[in-house]
Amino acid sequence: QKEVEQNSGPLSVPEGAIASLNCTYSDRGSQSFFWYRQYSGKSPELIMFIYSNGDKEDGRFTAQLNKASQYVSLLIRDSQPSDSATYLCAVQRRGGGNKLTFGTGTQLKVEL
Amino acid sequence: DVKVTQSSRYLVKRTGEKVFLECVQDMDHENMFWYRQDPGLGLRLIYFSYDVKMKEKGDIPEGYSVSREKKERFSLILESASTNQTSMYLCASSPGPIGHGYTFGSGTRLTVV
Repeated sequence: QKEVEQNSGPLSVPEGAIASLNCTYSDRGSQSFFWYRQYSGKSPELIMFIYSNGDKEDGRFTAQLNKASQYVSLLIRDSQPSDSATYLCAVQRRGGGNKLTFGTGTQLKVEL
Repeated sequence: DVKVTQSSRYLVKRTGEKVFLECVQDMDHENMFWYRQDPGLGLRLIYFSYDVKMKEKGDIPEGYSVSREKKERFSLILESASTNQTSMYLCASSPGPIGHGYTFGSGTRLTVV
């Protein structure tokens, strides 16, 4: 079982819709969770992080964390073509220092 | 903004060559990391460092070594390049306390022929 799992996609949504990206993790000792966006040919850039159960909102982005079910999700409201990218979920374990373990990413395509 | 600079964007090397990939960050971050990214495999940690002259192996350290003589600079060394080390190499840095995400450099696409 992979430590961090994501559906590779592609996930296609129409412009203006809500995109929902999901991630599950295997280590219950995980304590910090990050979402990165990576455009083709570019390096990952941090979008959001979440530590506590529940929702965290930042503009059009909402991160959701459920530690009991070991999943974290990213919602993108009012999706734009510029949101088309690969979204990487990353997990930081308790006692693992600052190391992040990444999922393989979900490709999102926002269609006009 | 934190800036993480990788010295080369594209690099072509021959099998058996010793290869140096350089990474410099300008925000006094304690932690620095080297990952490689391959299609279908995602980002895999090669080595990381929490402090000057300190290094720890990541998940795939074989065939690599690192050097951190100064806080701002973290070098990845391929001792004898092989074709299976053809990849995108990403350097990242983060502040000391846990709970902070990384800032990545722009990456070096290395091709070993």
